[in-house]
Amino acid sequence: KAGVTQTPRYLIKTRGQQVTLSCSPISGHRSVSWYQQTPGQGLQFLFEYFSETQRNKGNFPGRFSGRQFSNSRSEMNVSTLELGDSALYLCASSLGGLTGTSYEQYFGPGTRLTVT
Amino acid sequence: AQSVAQPEDQVNVAEGNPLTVKCTYSVSGNPYLFWYVQYPNRGLQFLLKYITGDNLVKGSYGFEAEFNKSQTSFHLKKPSALVSDSALYFCAVRLRSGGYNKLIFGAGTRLAVHP
Repeated sequence: KAGVTQTPRYLIKTRGQQVTLSCSPISGHRSVSWYQQTPGQGLQFLFEYFSETQRNKGNFPGRFSGRQFSNSRSEMNVSTLELGDSALYLCASSLGGLTGTSYEQYFGPGTRLTVT
Repeated sequence: AQSVAQPEDQVNVAEGNPLTVKCTYSVSGNPYLFWYVQYPNRGLQFLLKYITGDNLVKGSYGFEAEFNKSQTSFHLKKPSALVSDSALYFCAVRLRSGGYNKLIFGAGTRLAVHP
């Protein structure tokens, strides 16, 4: 079974621009979560989508948004980029249900975003 | 506020020796607990989880972890370390109620296994 894929793997953008990152979950997984990883703040939860609905949201400004499509693929968008948005953005997929195995999240390799 | 603490930035172990990576948590209620490992330029790999039941859980690559409710700890252990275990290890919690798939991560512990 193919793992979680994220595109692009690397991205360089300029302050003020906007960016869209894509995540394709493991086949059959309906939940996609996004995390930001930085050396200073560590791993922080951005949001989770399940069946095209945002189910949970972290403490990030409204410049960070996401969506999920009917095939469970997800995108996240960051508008008006700031230098501090430079980070590794990870997405994770899971079954999203209410049993123990559903709680396991499987992460993609990440998208490394550099804002200059 | 919910939080996860990994008190050691780095753990150094000789190959063949047992290893322990520490994790304590502070959350309301009984959380679900996880360990993940991250290799350079890679995403996180799931190692093991505690949901309920036996306090000692076994996971991938020979790792295990012990849930201690009274000490609110979930330390990661392995009886015999390998050089290939060298990586960044993250402990994470998920709330039982309303947490859905939001994971709260510790800061990470870098494990260095020396030949």
